[in-house]
Amino acid sequence: KAGVTQTPRYLIKTRGQQVTLSCSPISGHRSVSWYQQTPGQGLQFLFEYFSETQRNKGNFPGRFSGRQFSNSRSEMNVSTLELGDSALYLCASSLNPGQGKELFFGEGSRLTVL
Amino acid sequence: AQKITQTQPGMFVQEKEAVTLDCTYDTSDQSYGLFWYKQPSSGEMIFLIYQGSYDEQNATEGRYSLNFQKARKSANLVISASQLGDSAMYFCAMREGFSGYSTLTFGKGTMLLVSP
Repeated sequence: KAGVTQTPRYLIKTRGQQVTLSCSPISGHRSVSWYQQTPGQGLQFLFEYFSETQRNKGNFPGRFSGRQFSNSRSEMNVSTLELGDSALYLCASSLNPGQGKELFFGEGSRLTVL
Repeated sequence: AQKITQTQPGMFVQEKEAVTLDCTYDTSDQSYGLFWYKQPSSGEMIFLIYQGSYDEQNATEGRYSLNFQKARKSANLVISASQLGDSAMYFCAMREGFSGYSTLTFGKGTMLLVSP
């Protein structure tokens, strides 16, 4: 079956703009979580969604937001972009939150902020 | 304190040799899960192996095995018969508790280079 699909794969924005990233989970998976990966901070948890509800949130400013749709697809949005938001944004999906080893990642969306 | 510690920034191994990547973790929860992921230069995080805290047997997945020592809070990844395609970053991660969340805490990673 198809894996986790993230779009777009690459994008370039300028400071002050906003960006929306999309994640389609593995078919049947209902939980989607987002991570930011930077060389300095490594992999950091952003938020997790299940049944269209945000279940957990990492320590990021309010400029970072997300949502999940009824088909489990998720989007995350970053407003008022800063240079430090340049990162690889990874999405992971699982069948249900907090269970088992079914936790698979997409290829990521690489954001560059100029 | 760091919850996941990977002390080896980089490791070199020759093709066909075995290699162990170290991971220690810190949690007060009795129930937790430990994951290893491989990240090639393309960026995708590829799931390798999982160990639950209550699993009595060490996990194995093909050439990958997890040396789980609960008392020492260590979960080392062993790759047998290394291949050139194993060159990548390797991350150890932990999911804690019965919180019902899928949140993972990651280590800083180990870069593995496999030479011919």
